[in-house]
Amino acid sequence: GQNIDQPTEMTATEGAIVQINCTYQTSGFNGLFWYQQHAGEAPTFLSYNVLDGLEEKGRFSSFLSRSKGYSYLLLKELQMKDSASYLCALRKAGTALIFGKGTTLSVSS
Amino acid sequence: ETGVTQTPRHLVMGMTNKKSLKCEQHLGHNAMYWYKQSAKKPLELMFVYNFKEQTENNSVPSRFSPECPNSSHLFLHLHTLQPEDSALYLCASSQDPTGLSSYEQYFGPGTRLTVT
Repeated sequence: GQNIDQPTEMTATEGAIVQINCTYQTSGFNGLFWYQQHAGEAPTFLSYNVLDGLEEKGRFSSFLSRSKGYSYLLLKELQMKDSASYLCALRKAGTALIFGKGTTLSVSS
Repeated sequence: ETGVTQTPRHLVMGMTNKKSLKCEQHLGHNAMYWYKQSAKKPLELMFVYNFKEQTENNSVPSRFSPECPNSSHLFLHLHTLQPEDSALYLCASSQDPTGLSSYEQYFGPGTRLTVT
């Protein structure tokens, strides 16, 4: 099976940088996704890592280390609208996504 | 309409009722999915359809019955549900269901289901 662990909640202030970690135990996977979900809304795609290393997309970056079973999502220049849940998910061959419980981020002024 | 749409957005039903959830994707994708999202739990995959054929059933109780008449439409038929089935039911679609590419899944807004 696969256990995907994320912190339940995090808080940060506007303009700051926050790192949301995701650790997992699995026998193998094709890639790792990060999704953002605002309260009462659908999850939306943020990033995808298949190889080890950093993927940068504007204010958001995601990192993957397969050998360490570890990923993180880095959010820079935080804005109030970044308050949301951030979901880490593994993509396994022939199946859909396996999600962690998500991390609820609260950004304050 | 664009993206993935779901109806109804909210549904309250008794344990003896029969109801259906509808999902439609306007993205030309060939795979569609049902997920269940309960409070304090991860998003749980329920069913996967690829080119109208069911390719995954994640040990879902038979009181949930999916139907995929074509690649754009997906239904979830509900009957004799239990209160613990109350949750947000999310539909998603993607271009490639095989897991070999980076095609992300696009989610609908969900149906908030309450079973009384």
